[in-house]
Amino acid sequence: AQKITQTQPGMFVQEKEAVTLDCTYDTSDPSYGLFWYKQPSSGEMIFLIYQGSYDQQNATEGRYSLNFQKARKSANLVISASQLGDSAMYFCAMRDGGANSKLTFGKGITLSVRP
Amino acid sequence: DGGITQSPKYLFRKEGQNVTLSCEQNLNHDAMYWYRQDPGQGLRLIYYSQIVNDFQKGDIAEGYSVSREKKESFPLTVTSAQKNPTAFYLCASSRTSSSTDTQYFGPGTRLTVL
Repeated sequence: AQKITQTQPGMFVQEKEAVTLDCTYDTSDPSYGLFWYKQPSSGEMIFLIYQGSYDQQNATEGRYSLNFQKARKSANLVISASQLGDSAMYFCAMRDGGANSKLTFGKGITLSVRP
Repeated sequence: DGGITQSPKYLFRKEGQNVTLSCEQNLNHDAMYWYRQDPGQGLRLIYYSQIVNDFQKGDIAEGYSVSREKKESFPLTVTSAQKNPTAFYLCASSRTSSSTDTQYFGPGTRLTVL
C-alpha cells in the first residue's frame, strides 16, 4: 500500500527567504508519480509541481523545485524567495502505476510567510 | 476559460435529506474524482470515474452515490445514509487515469448538516 508522510508542524519563513517542506513516501511499485498541491484559505487545491519516479532530474516550476531523493523515498518541496501569498497549506501526494491506483495525500503542512 | 466548476459553494442540509453536489469540467478530461476533506486532514477519495458510464468506489464510498452520464459532468449525491456528511468536498479531473497525469481541482463545496 502506498503511504505519504508529512510530519512537520506549522512552518514559518521570512519573506524573500527559501523554505523546504518535507515529504516522505512508501510504495513497492517502481513506477509512481509525486505531486505537490497548495491549498490557500479559500479551499481550492492548486497544483504546483510533479515528479515521476523515472525522471532523471529534479522537477522545477518557477519558484518551486522538488528535491527528489529516491533512495531515501523523500520528495521535499523547496520554495525560493517566499512571498506573502505563499501562506497556505501544502499537500504532498503520490500515485503509483497500478491500473486502479489512487492519489494518496499526506496530512499537509501549514506555511506562514512573515513580512 | 477551461476549468472545473463546482456548485454550490456552500450547502446546508437538514438531517435525513439527500443533496447533490455539482461538478462540471470543460477540459475534455476522461477521468473525474470526488474527495472529502475534514478539518486539518488530507483528502480522502470517495468515488472516481475513468470514463463515461463507468465509476468505482474509493476509500469512503458508503453513504454516497455518483453518476457519469456525460464526459463533462460527475455529480455526487450525499445520501441520508452518510453518518457524518459535514465536510469540504472537492472534485477533480485528469486527462486519463494514468499515474503520471495531474489531477486538477475545482473550488470545492462546503456542506454543513444542520
